[in-house]
Amino acid sequence: AQRVTQPEKLLSVFKGAPVELKCNYSYSGSPELFWYVQYSRQRLQLLLRHISRESIKGFTADLNKGETSFHLKKPFAQEEDSAMYYCALKGRNYQLIWGAGTKLIIKP
Amino acid sequence: DAGVIQSPRHEVTEMGQEVTLRCKPISGHDYLFWYRQTMMRGLELLIYFNNNVPIDDSGMPEDRFSAKMPNASFSTLKIQPSEPRDSAVYFCASTPGAGKTQYFGPGTRLLVL
Repeated sequence: AQRVTQPEKLLSVFKGAPVELKCNYSYSGSPELFWYVQYSRQRLQLLLRHISRESIKGFTADLNKGETSFHLKKPFAQEEDSAMYYCALKGRNYQLIWGAGTKLIIKP
Repeated sequence: DAGVIQSPRHEVTEMGQEVTLRCKPISGHDYLFWYRQTMMRGLELLIYFNNNVPIDDSGMPEDRFSAKMPNASFSTLKIQPSEPRDSAVYFCASTPGAGKTQYFGPGTRLLVL
C-alpha cells in the first residue's frame, strides 16, 4: 500500500525552539518524497524534495528508509514558519499521495 | 507567468444552487489536478487530467461533482446541487509532466449555506 502519515494535526512550539514535523510513509521500492507548505491564505507551494538534499528557509528533511520516515526539521523556529505543512509521496502512477497535514504554530 | 489562476476566489451560495469553479493552468503544463481542502480531512485529490483527458476521478465524492477540461488552458469543477458539507477550499494545480512539482492556484473558498 502507498500511504503517507503525518501523526500530528497540530504542533505548537516557541520561537527559537527546534521543530520536527513527522512524516512516515508506506511504499515498496525507492520512494520520492516532498514537503509542501501553505502560509496563511496563500497557495500551497513546494518547500523541498528529498532528492535535492537541500535546505530551504532553514528546513531540512532526511529520508530514513529503515524507519520509513521523512521528518522535516529546523533547529530554531521563527514566527514566519507558522503554516500548514504537507508531506507527499510520489506514487506508482507518478501522482502525489498526501499526508493529512500538520499545522505548525510558532509562539512568540 | 501568473501561475495557476482560479476564479472565483470566494463563493457563497445557498444549498441546492449550482456552483462552478474555474481554473487556468500554467501554459505548457499537461497535468491538471483538482483538490479539496478541509480542516477535517486535509487535502483530498478529487480528479486529475492529462492532456485534457480525465485520468482518475475516484476522488470525486459523488455524482453531484463533475469536472471538465475542454482545452489545455481551462478546466471547470461543477457542483450541482451544492450542499453545506461541500464547504471547503478547492485548489487547482498543474504540473509539466508526470511526477513533476505541482504548482497550485490560490484556491476558491466555497461556503454553502
